[in-house]
Amino acid sequence: AQTVTQSQPEMSVQEAETVTLSCTYDTSESDYYLFWYKQPPSRQMILVIRQEAYKQQNATENRFSVNFQKAAKSFSLKISDSQLGDAAMYFCAYRSAGGDDKIIFGKGTRLHILP
Amino acid sequence: EAGVTQFPSHSVIEKGQTVTLRCDPISGHDNLYWYRRVMGKEIKFLLHFVKESKQDESGMPNNRFLAERTGGTYSTLKVQPAELEDSGVYFCASSQVLPGRKAKNIQYFGAGTRLSVL
Repeated sequence: AQTVTQSQPEMSVQEAETVTLSCTYDTSESDYYLFWYKQPPSRQMILVIRQEAYKQQNATENRFSVNFQKAAKSFSLKISDSQLGDAAMYFCAYRSAGGDDKIIFGKGTRLHILP
Repeated sequence: EAGVTQFPSHSVIEKGQTVTLRCDPISGHDNLYWYRRVMGKEIKFLLHFVKESKQDESGMPNNRFLAERTGGTYSTLKVQPAELEDSGVYFCASSQVLPGRKAKNIQYFGAGTRLSVL
């Protein structure tokens, strides 16, 4: 079975600085998708960035980028120029490219932005 | 366009009572999913509807949980009778059915319903 591990329950970063959230996963599949979701307090969980495993190039979305290391099964999220609005719970997630649609999540990392 | 909406945002009930959670997916989304996050643990899949049919209910914890999606629009998740271990945040998500690789089928989540069973 696939698993996703986020080893940092909480992190803090100064506004305008850069922070990296860690995520590792375990799977025997070769084709899959990886995601980072963000949930601000009491608000909808939104997709921040996604990566297709067959693509070697790391995904980027404005200030958000990932470091995808397929062999190491690592998928970290880098947030550049951190803003107060980035404060949220961040979930790393996995989904198989075939078979069912279920998403497998990590436990989450709560990110605090210090003004 | 409205996102996925869930009602109520928070529910506090006593052990043994019944609670019904509701999810309104994004209009036109045939896929609807329920997930649950128990305190301090991972968000876990409960079940998946395609229109009104249950595609996958492998994550449903036991027969105290009943999910329905009459008419293929909104969905309800009923817990009867509720137990202490049912406390947590229940998320609903929806997605379109698109051809091609599944990467296109992004699941859009609601804000969740926080259920507290006392």
